[in-house]
Amino acid sequence: EAQLLESGGGLVQPGGSLRLSCAASAFTFSSYAMSWVRQAPGKGLEWLSTISGGSRSIFYADSVRGRFTISRDNSKNTLFLQMNSLRADDTAVYYCAKVWAASGVFDSWGQGTLVTVSP
Amino acid sequence: DIQMTQSPSTLSASVGDRVTITCRASQNINDWLAWYQQKPGKAPDLLIFKASNVQHGVPPRFSGGGSGTEFTLTISSLQPDDFATYYCQHYSSYLWTFGQGTRVEIK
Repeated sequence: EAQLLESGGGLVQPGGSLRLSCAASAFTFSSYAMSWVRQAPGKGLEWLSTISGGSRSIFYADSVRGRFTISRDNSKNTLFLQMNSLRADDTAVYYCAKVWAASGVFDSWGQGTLVTVSP
Repeated sequence: DIQMTQSPSTLSASVGDRVTITCRASQNINDWLAWYQQKPGKAPDLLIFKASNVQHGVPPRFSGGGSGTEFTLTISSLQPDDFATYYCQHYSSYLWTFGQGTRVEIK
């Protein structure tokens, strides 16, 4: 069973930057697309970004395009999310998720890391 | 962009009840529809993929149906462990969209 562990969350001031990491294990990381999904406090799930296994294809939601950058290091089985120009409405739990491309679903999720954007 | 609308937003039910949650798409999405269960403080878990396929390890009381624009998640006999929030999710052309969620609470 795939294991995903996010890190890097914390408190950041508006306009600041943060880099999230997601360490993957128990599956062939480079063979799968990976995504970031977030959930604001008391709100629903919001897909943010997806990167293909070889990093050739990258997709973003309109809400983060131009501010967030997804990347991966297959040699270290790690997924990243660089977040710049952070705003209060970016406050959320950020999840990494493994993509099951044939069915268009997220079949494994990490436990999430909380990002709080506040003065 | 395709919008996903769930109903109801909150559902009050008792153990043993049969419950159905509906998810409507703003346009035809064929069967590209999944359902997730999320408990407080936890990550979502995949229940159903491609509208009606039950994920490995999910109890058989969960079933999914529908195609096109209207989909359902049915729990045949609600168990104490099933009180949670449920989300539908659509995938198309490298965009993923979630419904707003349905909270199933104890009546």
